[in-house]
Amino acid sequence: DIQMTQSPSSLSASVGDRVTITCRASQSISSYLNWYQQKPGKAPKLLIYAASSLQSGVPSRFSGSGSGTDFTLTISSLQPEDFATYYCQQSYSTPRIFTFGPGTKVDIK
Amino acid sequence: QVQLQESGPGLVKPSETLSLTCAVSGYSISSGYYWGWIRQPPGKGLEWIGSIYHSGSTYYNPSLKSRVTISVDTSKNQFSLKLSSVTAADTAVYYCAREPETYCGGDCYFYYFDYWGQGTLVTVSS
Repeated sequence: DIQMTQSPSSLSASVGDRVTITCRASQSISSYLNWYQQKPGKAPKLLIYAASSLQSGVPSRFSGSGSGTDFTLTISSLQPEDFATYYCQQSYSTPRIFTFGPGTKVDIK
Repeated sequence: QVQLQESGPGLVKPSETLSLTCAVSGYSISSGYYWGWIRQPPGKGLEWIGSIYHSGSTYYNPSLKSRVTISVDTSKNQFSLKLSSVTAADTAVYYCAREPETYCGGDCYFYYFDYWGQGTLVTVSS
């Protein structure tokens, strides 16, 4: 089974900060990596798919990069509405088995 | 606009079967894509349960496969989840979601969840 880890598990940042979250897979998953944002009491929202493709309607301050085992989600200038928990998810496994990372909580410094 | 809405009992007794339905509007399930169920125990992370195609083809999380059945009713534009022999560990918010694909050449497809329901809390307790 492919295991996903994220670092850090939480971080404190200020509005305007550049924030980077890392996701690592236990084996190579090529670019089969998605990122989601979840706010308390709400469903997750797709931000990035295929490691670096920005989902329609998502602000351009969000970007994704990486391939193989190491991936990053970057928020170029943190906005008040970006305080949330972020999850990565792999879709590489065949047959298809989706695995989510444990999440990274971004809160206000 | 695509919308998904989960429905079903909010309380299930241990050893019984959890049953949920996801009604889809704004998109016909028969048009394609997979449709999935994901759950989140209170205060914890996300766990994929399984997915179904409009034809009825399914993929399940191996850790839940022996207890899970996902079915689709294209005439009602909805799909359903059944989880048997539940325990307190199955207490969670259950989400349904659309699972489209993006072709990337050859036999390569990227899969992800782009539209989600609001989620429904199911508590397992006597």
